[in-house]
Amino acid sequence: GQNIDQPTEMTATEGAIVQINCTYQTSGFNGLFWYQQHAGEAPTFLSYNVLDGLEEKGRFSSFLSRSKGYSYLLLKELQMKDSASYLCAAMDSNYQLIWGAGTKLIIKP
Amino acid sequence: GAVVSQHPSWVICKSGTSVKIECRSLDFQATTMFWYRQFPKQSLMLMATSNEGSKATYEQGVEKDKFLINHASLTLSTLTVTSAHPEDSSFYICSAPQGETDTQYFGPGTRLTVL
Repeated sequence: GQNIDQPTEMTATEGAIVQINCTYQTSGFNGLFWYQQHAGEAPTFLSYNVLDGLEEKGRFSSFLSRSKGYSYLLLKELQMKDSASYLCAAMDSNYQLIWGAGTKLIIKP
Repeated sequence: GAVVSQHPSWVICKSGTSVKIECRSLDFQATTMFWYRQFPKQSLMLMATSNEGSKATYEQGVEKDKFLINHASLTLSTLTVTSAHPEDSSFYICSAPQGETDTQYFGPGTRLTVL
């Protein structure tokens, strides 16, 4: 079956760095997406990876290893506004998105 | 990025009534749109895929006669919750894929409360 695993909750300190991991198993693969969702709001797109390696976008970076079925989202210089849920989603061979349950990130001062 | 709007943002209705939610892609065309439902502190659940000019594809367990989907044009999909009951109260969110990577862009969501 198709599956996405990511931690339920993580806590980090303002100004620090945090890495949110995601492992996936899909029928075929057409890319890995990360979204941010603040409480009570809709998800917003953060990043897309389809090739192995690191994609950097400001304070956020996303990494993919296709052979390991693994991705991570790296957040640097954490700010209080980064407190949110981070959703990992993998696109299968039918271009369907398989969603993880999300990782709730709590930032402490 | 692509912009998707939803209307209304929130709605309160009486049990037994029907509620229509609109999803529009504002700066791009979408032959496909997705409808999700999210209960408090739970993950996104895909309800159905809306297809322009043809029938929607519903996920297992979603009643097609209760959640009517119409994709009337390349920029508009509607979800009608018929004969709503309190258990239908939820956050309904649409998305539309855009670009070569089919990245899904989400509308702001509609919070439905059925009394």
